[in-house]
Amino acid sequence: NAGVTQTPKFQVLKTGQSMTLQCAQDMNHEYMSWYRQDPGMGLRLIHYSVGAGITDQGEVPNGYNVSRSTTEDFPLRLLSAAPSQTSVYFCASSYSGQIQETQYFGPGTRLLVL
Amino acid sequence: SQKIEQNSEALNIQEGKTATLTCNYTNYSPAYLQWYRQDPGRGPVFLLLIRENEKEKRKERLKVTFDTTLKQSLFHITASQPADSATYLCALRSNDYKLSFGAGTTVTVRA
Repeated sequence: NAGVTQTPKFQVLKTGQSMTLQCAQDMNHEYMSWYRQDPGMGLRLIHYSVGAGITDQGEVPNGYNVSRSTTEDFPLRLLSAAPSQTSVYFCASSYSGQIQETQYFGPGTRLLVL
Repeated sequence: SQKIEQNSEALNIQEGKTATLTCNYTNYSPAYLQWYRQDPGRGPVFLLLIRENEKEKRKERLKVTFDTTLKQSLFHITASQPADSATYLCALRSNDYKLSFGAGTTVTVRA
């Protein structure tokens, strides 16, 4: 199994540009989520999904959109990038999202918005 | 508001010593608490989960305690090795599928 994969690994955007961060998992996990990690602030939940066709907001959803058309994929879209979105983005998955389950994280996407 | 606080300072220890990390939380009633390890440039990796009715959990050289009265978890790395150098994150989940993380404590083990 490849686990959780993310592309691209690194991206530079100009303010106002849009882009999609890709996330895929091959573990047949129903639950997937996106986090951003900033220095001194830890991981903050952006959006999550408990299954195909179902998404919900996390702690910091503004400026980001998600969709879940398949079990495997959970892309994160930035519609109009802002410098405040400069961060490292992690995708994670677990079997069903129940509270006792562990999360499997991808390697991250480093985003710089100029 | 809910808050998770870990040791604010990095921890530097000599090889062979025990590292003790603290995770304090407020306004949570977690049934479970998790610890993750994160190496530079990589995603977090799950280490241990402890339930509210478990006082202590061990895995090899790792030990976790969970005191719901004090609202605190302690994470111990015994007989530390340079390979244990990393950032360690504690995480709590509310009942609605949202996992919240502390900012992490960076541990450096000197040979």
